[in-house]
Amino acid sequence: AAGVIQSPRHLIKEKRETATLKCYPIPRHDTVYWYQQGPGQDPQFLISFYEKMQSDKGSIPDRFSAQQFSDYHSELNMSSLELGDSALYFCASSPRGTETDTQYFGPGTRLTVL
Amino acid sequence: GNSVTQMEGPVTLSEEAFLTINCTYTATGYPSLFWYVQYPGEGLQLLLKATKADDKGSNKGFEATYRKETTSFHLEKGSVQVSDSAVYFCALSKNTGNQFYFGTGTSLTVIP
Repeated sequence: AAGVIQSPRHLIKEKRETATLKCYPIPRHDTVYWYQQGPGQDPQFLISFYEKMQSDKGSIPDRFSAQQFSDYHSELNMSSLELGDSALYFCASSPRGTETDTQYFGPGTRLTVL
Repeated sequence: GNSVTQMEGPVTLSEEAFLTINCTYTATGYPSLFWYVQYPGEGLQLLLKATKADDKGSNKGFEATYRKETTSFHLEKGSVQVSDSAVYFCALSKNTGNQFYFGTGTSLTVIP
């Protein structure tokens, strides 16, 4: 079965640089979520989109922005990167219909800021 | 507010031992409850879920029952295997399209 695709899988950036992470949800899933997981931490919710509109917002820094496109893929843009942004970034998607409460996670993008 | 409290690890068990990982939650209304598993270097995989009181989720020998009276969703497995070694996260979801609230994760190591 198709899963959530994230790219790149690994990314190394310098401080103050920008990064763009991409997420391709499972086909026919219309809701996308972004999470940040620091080392040894639980995933922290950043932001979500439903039908290309922001649906919920968590602890996303102002330096970060995200959007969902007409094909439902989503991009997380991160600017002025800081050392503390080093983490695993997960994207998840959820389907229409009876399972809209279930989120399916991608493999994550590991971002390292040097 | 909404939160999940999960049994702290790490947990080390011998193969074929019985596993319980405790999870309790705080939420208004009727959340859906989930267990996710994360193997080293990988993403979160849905293990099981329950959407209403007294529902039992089960998968791969793991079970958890949604107990509204005790606000709990404890994960159990009768006989663990080495391949079950991973980090287990309990989570709740209030509404569709909204965030998950995760517990802090419990690391399980099963030794032969």
